[in-house]
This record gives sequence, structure tokens and C-alpha cells, in this order.
Amino acid sequence: KNQVEQSPQSLIILEGKNCTLQCNYTVSPFSNLRWYKQDTGRGPVSLTIMTFSENTKSNGRYTATLDADTKQSSLHITASQLSDSASYICVVSFNYGGSQGNLIFGKGTKLSVKP
Amino acid sequence: EPEVTQTPSHQVTQMGQEVILRCVPISNHLYFYWYRQILGQKVEFLVSFYNNEISEKSEIFDDQFSVERPDGSNFTLKIRSTKLEDSAMYFCASRTGTHEQYFGPGTRLTVT
Repeated sequence: KNQVEQSPQSLIILEGKNCTLQCNYTVSPFSNLRWYKQDTGRGPVSLTIMTFSENTKSNGRYTATLDADTKQSSLHITASQLSDSASYICVVSFNYGGSQGNLIFGKGTKLSVKP
Repeated sequence: EPEVTQTPSHQVTQMGQEVILRCVPISNHLYFYWYRQILGQKVEFLVSFYNNEISEKSEIFDDQFSVERPDGSNFTLKIRSTKLEDSAMYFCASRTGTHEQYFGPGTRLTVT
């Protein structure tokens, strides 16, 4: 069964600190992996997208890694800011019948950045 | 920057009533999606739509649900007879031929 598991469920860090969020997936056939940021009551906003051949991608203070062999990904946030407080969702897309396929969402990691 | 819009932001309805959730995808996008997120749970795929027809749907998307693109700009999700368990955030998303899906801000549906 296609699944995406994330850890930790929640995380509290102090402003300015770094953190790393984890994602494991069992999705086949794999198309790409995305990290989204979702503020409370809002729609997900894409941070990074990585295909099979990419093992790292950065977007400002966000750096995502992908190990397609172990089916693991991480999202590293550097020098956290209060505005980073949100849920971070790992999403994996699979190829289905030759189409672009659809997205399998993880439950997300709820990050709280405290002053 | 173009964005996906959704209306209303919050809809309250009584059980058994029909609701229509509206979305305006980004204008040059070709693929359209509906997702839902029950409070505290993960986002779940409902349906994808391309070339004026449903391309894929999940188990959640039963006969009570339907989608339509009535004109060149709107994309709607209709729930014929709402149930309490339909209460959720409903997100519309769209994309071009690339991978990236752009999500709208969501409609919070409350069924009482």
C-alpha cells in the first residue's frame, strides 16, 4: 500500500535554531517527492519538488534531501524564524497508468518556533 | 502572481443538503484536483479532472460527489446530500503539464 510516514509528529524549537524533519515512503512507482508548508487553515504551499535523480534541493533556508534507495527524505530548516511555525507535509507522487498520477500525503510535522 | 481561488471560505450546511464548492484554477492550467482534509488528519485525494472529464478518483469520491467545469474558469465540487462526516477543509489544486500543483486556500465545510 502506498504510504508516507513522517516524524516527529510535532516539534518545538527556539527561534534561530536549526531542525530536521523526516519522511519515509513506500510509494511505487515513484515519480517525485515534495515538501509543502501548510499554515493553519490554509492550503499547502510547495517548498521543494525532487525527482528520482535529485538528492538535494534548496529553497532559501529550506533544504530537502532524498535517498531513493532507502526511500527516505528530510527537510532541514536553517536559522528558524517565528513565521516557520506551520505543518510541514511530505507528499509523494506516483505514476499511475502512465499519467502524472496523484499525491500521497503524509500527516505532517507540526513545527512551533518559540521566541 | 497567479493563484488558485476558492469560494466560499466557510460554508455551513445542514445534513442532507446539497453544497457546491467553487474554485477558479490558474488560467493556463490543464489539470484540476479536489482534496479534503478532515480536522487533524492528513490531506486526502478526492478526484482529478482533465480534458473535461474525471481522470481518477478515490474511494472517498462516491456517488454523492460530482465535479464540473461549467465554463472556462470555474471548477466545482458538488456534494448532493451532505453527511456529518463530510465536514472538512476542501482544497482545489491545479497544474499545467509540469509536476507542480498549486493549491487554493480551501473551503471549510461544516455540516450540522
